[in-house]
Amino acid sequence: EVQLVESGGGLVQPGGSLRLSCAASGFSFSDYWMTWVRQAPGKGLEWVANIKQESGEIYYVNSVRGRFTISRDNAKNSVYLQMDSLRVEDTGVYYCARDKIVGPAHFDFWGQGTQVTVSS
Amino acid sequence: DIHVTQSPSSLSASVGDRVTITCRASQHINNYLNWYQHKPGEAPRLLIYASSTLQTGVPSRFSGVGSGTDFTLTITSLQTEDFATYYCQKSDSIPLTFGGGTKVQIK
Repeated sequence: EVQLVESGGGLVQPGGSLRLSCAASGFSFSDYWMTWVRQAPGKGLEWVANIKQESGEIYYVNSVRGRFTISRDNAKNSVYLQMDSLRVEDTGVYYCARDKIVGPAHFDFWGQGTQVTVSS
Repeated sequence: DIHVTQSPSSLSASVGDRVTITCRASQHINNYLNWYQHKPGEAPRLLIYASSTLQTGVPSRFSGVGSGTDFTLTITSLQTEDFATYYCQKSDSIPLTFGGGTKVQIK
């Protein structure tokens, strides 16, 4: 059974940092791209970043580029999101999801999400 | 960047109704369009990818069509468990933008 479990969320002040983790199981992790998606309170889904199987390609949405860093450790079946210079507007639920092997992106398995709150 | 506009933003329907949700891209994206279902407190669920391919395990009452700029998700005979918010997502290029969502509510 495919499982994705996020952790690392919490309350942080503006300008602070958090590191989210996503532990994967039930599939060959190193075969897949992985992605992070977030949902601000009362808003829709927003794609944040994704990373290729061996980290050779990484992409970000403009609003987080330069502040967030996605990474992965295939030996630990985990993907991470280092979030620096956090802003109030980064508040939301952060989901990790399994992305494609090849071809166009589509997110077929998702975690339950971890809450990030940026507030003073 | 290519924008994705979903309509309507919400709708009310009854069990057994046929429901149609539309997604329009600001530029041609071939068939690179996915659909997701999201219920409060749950993980989003992939319904359809590449415009019309039904994800494994998704009931056949869900279907998708479209290519280029205009896409449609149809739910034939709406069931109780289908009341949720639906999102389209473009997958042709970065950024992998989602539509604004369509909340399907009970009439």
